[in-house]
Amino acid sequence: AQKITQTQPGMFVQEKEAVTLDCTYDTSDPSYGLFWYKQPSSGEMIFLIYQGSYDQQNATEGRYSLNFQKARKSANLVISASQLGDSAMYFCAMSALQGSARQLTFGSGTQLTVLP
Amino acid sequence: DTGVSQDPRHKITKRGQNVTFRCDPISEHNRLYWYRQTLGQGPEFLTYFQNEAQLEKSRLLSNRFSAERPKGSFSTLEIQRTEQGDSAMYLCASSAPAGGQETQYFGPGTRLLVL
Repeated sequence: AQKITQTQPGMFVQEKEAVTLDCTYDTSDPSYGLFWYKQPSSGEMIFLIYQGSYDQQNATEGRYSLNFQKARKSANLVISASQLGDSAMYFCAMSALQGSARQLTFGSGTQLTVLP
Repeated sequence: DTGVSQDPRHKITKRGQNVTFRCDPISEHNRLYWYRQTLGQGPEFLTYFQNEAQLEKSRLLSNRFSAERPKGSFSTLEIQRTEQGDSAMYLCASSAPAGGQETQYFGPGTRLLVL
């Protein structure tokens, strides 16, 4: 079974500063993917960044980077130069083959608030 | 806009009524997923379609729930005899096969409130 743990229910960051959102995972599948999604109050889940279990380098997408430490089973999201529009719920998710589907297993999320 | 769309965005119903939600995936995506998200939690997998075939169903999907994807394009999720515990956000996602990096793109969701 797959499990995602996000231990920070809420985080605050000052505008223009960097913030790290924590995520640890557990799986017995050797091949898996790790994702981060952003969910504003409107409800839509917005894909931010992906890291494959066999990727040697940490993924980056603009202001988002993923600090992947495979031995520690952690996949923390780093947001640089925070903006007010970054205030939202952030979910870490893992994709692993379960049956015929690559289901996503989500953590409980971290509510990020960016302060002006 | 060519993203995933869902209809309706909000639904309020009385306990015992039937409701149906629709999802239109990204046009070139042959995989479609339904998830349920309750307040304060991450989404939970309900069911998965590849083209028109429903290949996976979660144990969360009781026999009051049924999902279809008749022509491998749009999908519907029906809940019969709704209960207050069905109140949640129902999210649809679609993807195309891409090996490990199969990114699921989500729609805006349907918020269901059962009174």
